[in-house]
Amino acid sequence: DAGVIQSPRHEVTEMGQEVTLRCKPISGHDYLFWYRQTMMRGLELLIYFNNNVPIDDSGMPEDRFSAKMPNASFSTLKIQPSEPRDSAVYFCASSWDRVSRGYTFGSGTRLTVV
Amino acid sequence: TQLLEQSPQFLSIQEGENLTVYCNSSSVFSSLQWYRQEPGEGPVLLVTVVTGGEVKKLKRLTFQFGDARKDSSLHITAAQPGDTGLYLCAGRTTSGTYKYIFGTGTRLKVLA
Repeated sequence: DAGVIQSPRHEVTEMGQEVTLRCKPISGHDYLFWYRQTMMRGLELLIYFNNNVPIDDSGMPEDRFSAKMPNASFSTLKIQPSEPRDSAVYFCASSWDRVSRGYTFGSGTRLTVV
Repeated sequence: TQLLEQSPQFLSIQEGENLTVYCNSSSVFSSLQWYRQEPGEGPVLLVTVVTGGEVKKLKRLTFQFGDARKDSSLHITAAQPGDTGLYLCAGRTTSGTYKYIFGTGTRLKVLA
């Protein structure tokens, strides 16, 4: 299994530009999570999906952030317009809902907004 | 809001020493997990504990879930440089939704 695949690994963009982060979860996993990690705030849950349906988006910072999961094998997190304070590492994770199972994380996308 | 505080925040020790990392909350969790994260990578699951008072061992690592399911600890015996990394606890909320809230993290460095 290739694991959770995220792209790009690094993204540098100018303030005001649109940024799209991509995630391919592990086949068969029915949950997908988007997290953001910074030194100041740690690992924060932004949104999660179950069977492609958004279940909890209470962690999405503001309307500039949006996430979609058009099918079981693909999800996107979009920031429009981007701001310097959005700079962080964004992780996608997938899982089954089994108590003993943890999340499998991707390697993350390091976003820098200048 | 359910928060998980970890202590210490940073820890630098010599190879062979023992250490304990703590994860505390005022909230009850239905289960708790520990992850280790290395630079440039996502967190990797180490263990899941479910029952209050539960103890699990993974080689030199011992994990304990508090009786009231509000806290947990991770003890490492005879630490090795390969144990270096960011240790994160994550508690599953009891609100009925399937999501884990991550702790503030403990950054461990083991010197050879």
